[in-house]
Amino acid sequence: DAGITQSPRHKVTETGTPVTLRCHQTENHRYMYWYRQDPGHGLRLIHYSYGVKDTDKGEVSDGYSVSRSKTEDFLLTLESATSSQTSVYFCAIRRVGDTEAFFGQGTRLTVV
Amino acid sequence: GQQVMQIPQYQHVQEGEDFTTYCNSSTTLSNIQWYKQRPGGHPVFLIQLVKSGEVKKQKRLTFQFGEAKKNSSLHITATQTTDVGTYFCAGFFGNEKLTFGTGTRLTIIP
Repeated sequence: DAGITQSPRHKVTETGTPVTLRCHQTENHRYMYWYRQDPGHGLRLIHYSYGVKDTDKGEVSDGYSVSRSKTEDFLLTLESATSSQTSVYFCAIRRVGDTEAFFGQGTRLTVV
Repeated sequence: GQQVMQIPQYQHVQEGEDFTTYCNSSTTLSNIQWYKQRPGGHPVFLIQLVKSGEVKKQKRLTFQFGEAKKNSSLHITATQTTDVGTYFCAGFFGNEKLTFGTGTRLTIIP
């Protein structure tokens, strides 16, 4: 498996609180992605990064922000968590010139 | 917006029966990928198709890319319990935006 770690793996938080999820890679891959997975919706792209400090929005970016200050870390922040953001969040990485993406183990986030 | 739809959303089959999932993109794709996610796991890359009309096989799995490069299919012959999971297609919209389909969850009845 690719060297990709998500933390935390599970989190329960209260509505209105800020939450940051971390994706860490040891592969030095350029591209990093954040997805959320919900029944009936598949994997939906939240934000992605194509280099340090280079990020762009995906299809469901409202309520989320990201930062990538180092190649190895891609942070996803929910500024003020809502119940609709209860989901499983996956990080993925991809090497330049390749199309295959490697996924982390996922973070299960529950907003109560 | 850019979309990748899959049908069916769920499929329950008896062990030994065949299974097919279909993937349709709103726009022409440069290539299409297929991933499998086991229950409780994360998506894992299966294969990539690049050419119009391309067909690739992996043992009991047959993957096809449409002539217009807007649709694809995955067919599993004689399903086994190890085939259980959710199958996703994925494509690039732009150079970096990797967009996944809605997925098809396959359940096998022993």
